[in-house]
Amino acid sequence: KAGVTQTPRYLIKTRGQQVTLSCSPISGHRSVSWYQQTPGQGLQFLFEYFSETQRNKGNFPGRFSGRQFSNSRSEMNVSTLELGDSALYLCASSLGGASTEAFFGQGTRLTVV
Amino acid sequence: ILNVEQSPQSLHVQEGDSTNFTCSFPSSNFYALHWYRWETAKSPEALFVMTLNGDEKKKGRISATLNTKEGYSYLYIKGSQPEDSATYLCASLNNAGNMLTFGGGTRLMVKP
Repeated sequence: KAGVTQTPRYLIKTRGQQVTLSCSPISGHRSVSWYQQTPGQGLQFLFEYFSETQRNKGNFPGRFSGRQFSNSRSEMNVSTLELGDSALYLCASSLGGASTEAFFGQGTRLTVV
Repeated sequence: ILNVEQSPQSLHVQEGDSTNFTCSFPSSNFYALHWYRWETAKSPEALFVMTLNGDEKKKGRISATLNTKEGYSYLYIKGSQPEDSATYLCASLNNAGNMLTFGGGTRLMVKP
């Protein structure tokens, strides 16, 4: 079965612009989480959606937002981009329970110039 | 604020050596502890998800133990091979949602 698909894989944006990243989870998975990885930092949790509802949100400014559609696909939006937003953004899907493993996509590498 | 810590930060071993890493995590409101392997240019892949105190899991040459009362987990690799070279991440789940808090990872390099 198909894995988690993230698009685009690479993106270059200018400061002040906004960007939308997309994540298609594994079929049947209702939970989608987003993570940011910057150089020298571990994976930082952004937010998690389950059945179109945001269940958890990490400690990121309001410029970071997301949503989930009825088919479980999720999008993440960052408005008013800053240089510090340059990072690898990973999404992960799972069945949603505490003991279920997360399946990660290959990520979107965002560069803000 | 939850704090998940891993040690060591990096490790160089020779092929055939056995090695282990440590993950410490908050023991309050504990739900699960995840281990992932992240190879360069690939996606993180789950190794284990552990929920019960005293749990031990094994997959081939890799095994893990869990102590939820004191908040630590060990990952063991027996007879390391060059293909084991990767970053090993642990993540703690401390609420009913799916908010994984990751440690900084242990980068393992196995020399042939």
